[in-house]
Amino acid sequence: AQKITQTQPGMFVQEKEAVTLDCTYDTSDPSYGLFWYKQPSSGEMIFLIYQGSYDQQNATEGRYSLNFQKARKSANLVISASQLGDSAMYFCAMRGGEDQTGANNLFFGTGTRLTVIP
Amino acid sequence: KAGVTQTPRYLIKTRGQQVTLSCSPISGHRSVSWYQQTPGQGLQFLFEYFSETQRNKGNFPGRFSGRQFSNSRSEMNVSTLELGDSALYLCASSDGLAGTITDTQYFGPGTRLTVL
Repeated sequence: AQKITQTQPGMFVQEKEAVTLDCTYDTSDPSYGLFWYKQPSSGEMIFLIYQGSYDQQNATEGRYSLNFQKARKSANLVISASQLGDSAMYFCAMRGGEDQTGANNLFFGTGTRLTVIP
Repeated sequence: KAGVTQTPRYLIKTRGQQVTLSCSPISGHRSVSWYQQTPGQGLQFLFEYFSETQRNKGNFPGRFSGRQFSNSRSEMNVSTLELGDSALYLCASSDGLAGTITDTQYFGPGTRLTVL
């Protein structure tokens, strides 16, 4: 069974500083995808970045990058130059394997609440 | 492209009633997934529809059901509401190609259901 663990319930970061949000995962599938989403207080889940298990390079998307360590089964999100608008819940999620049925659901971690301090 | 839309945004119901939530996916997306988010259980997968067929189902009682129409719009229904059904219900759409781990789900703003 797939499992996602986010051990940091809350994090604080000074504006313009970088911050790392931790995510570890567990799966027996050799093929999987890892996703990070941001959820502001409004509730909508906003897709940030994706990393595939076979990707050779760490994913980057603007100020977001993934520190992907496959052997350690970790996919930490790095946010550079934090902004006040980055204050939100951040969720790590995984989709496992090449399911023959094409099952398409995500498994989510418990999230990390990031607060950016002016 | 317009994003995923969900209606209504807020609902207040009483125990025993039923409720129907609606989701319109991003144009061209054929997969719609539903998730329940509560403070206690976090985000949990309810079910996924692809081309009008339920392709996958989470571990929820039969009171939770859904369907998808030919235009990919989806509805979920909860019958005989319980207090524990109070939650944010999120809908997500994607291309839904089978076996594609890169398939990215895009979420709507959610429907916040309160059961009194």
